[in-house]
Amino acid sequence: EVQLVQSGAEVKKPGESLKISCKASGYSFTNFWIAWVRQMPGKGLEWMGIISPVDSDTRYNPSFQGQVTISADKSISTAYLHWSSLKASDTAMYYCARSPSMIRGVFDYWGQGTLVTVSS
Amino acid sequence: DTVLTQSPATLSLSPGERATLSCRASQSVSSYLAWYQQKPGQAPRLLIYDASNRATGIAARFSGSGSGTDFTLTISSLEPEDFAVYYCQQRDNWPFTFGPGTKVDIK
Repeated sequence: EVQLVQSGAEVKKPGESLKISCKASGYSFTNFWIAWVRQMPGKGLEWMGIISPVDSDTRYNPSFQGQVTISADKSISTAYLHWSSLKASDTAMYYCARSPSMIRGVFDYWGQGTLVTVSS
Repeated sequence: DTVLTQSPATLSLSPGERATLSCRASQSVSSYLAWYQQKPGQAPRLLIYDASNRATGIAARFSGSGSGTDFTLTISSLEPEDFAVYYCQQRDNWPFTFGPGTKVDIK
């Protein structure tokens, strides 16, 4: 069974750093890309970026370039989303999603989401 | 960026009725358009990819059509579990983009 299990909810202060994770199981991790998608409270979905775990080839949405870092560790089938300095506007639900290499950009399985709250 | 516009914003229908949702792209996305369903408190779920291909396990009442800039998601007969928000998403142009969503609610 394909599963993407994300790390738990976080409450942070502005300026703090944070790395959230997405652990994959039930399939060959290196055969699929992993994307990150933001959903701000009561709003729609925003694609942040995508990474190929086999070689760490990463593409960012320009709106998020420089604001976050996407990485992956294929030895433990886990992808990450990292902030070096959080802002209140980073408060949102963050989803990871799997994307088949042959139809890159189609997100066929999703994690359960990680709620990030940034507040002083 | 490719802007996706969805209409209507809200669709109020009764179970058993047919739902027709529209997604229009600001530039051609060929057939590289997907539809997702999201229920409150849940992650999105892939319904349709590349305009008309149903994802694994998706009921036959969901169908997609279109190409270029105009796309449609049709739910032939609404079941109670279909009341949700539906998003379209394109993968033809970087960055990938989502539409703002159409909420299908119970009339």
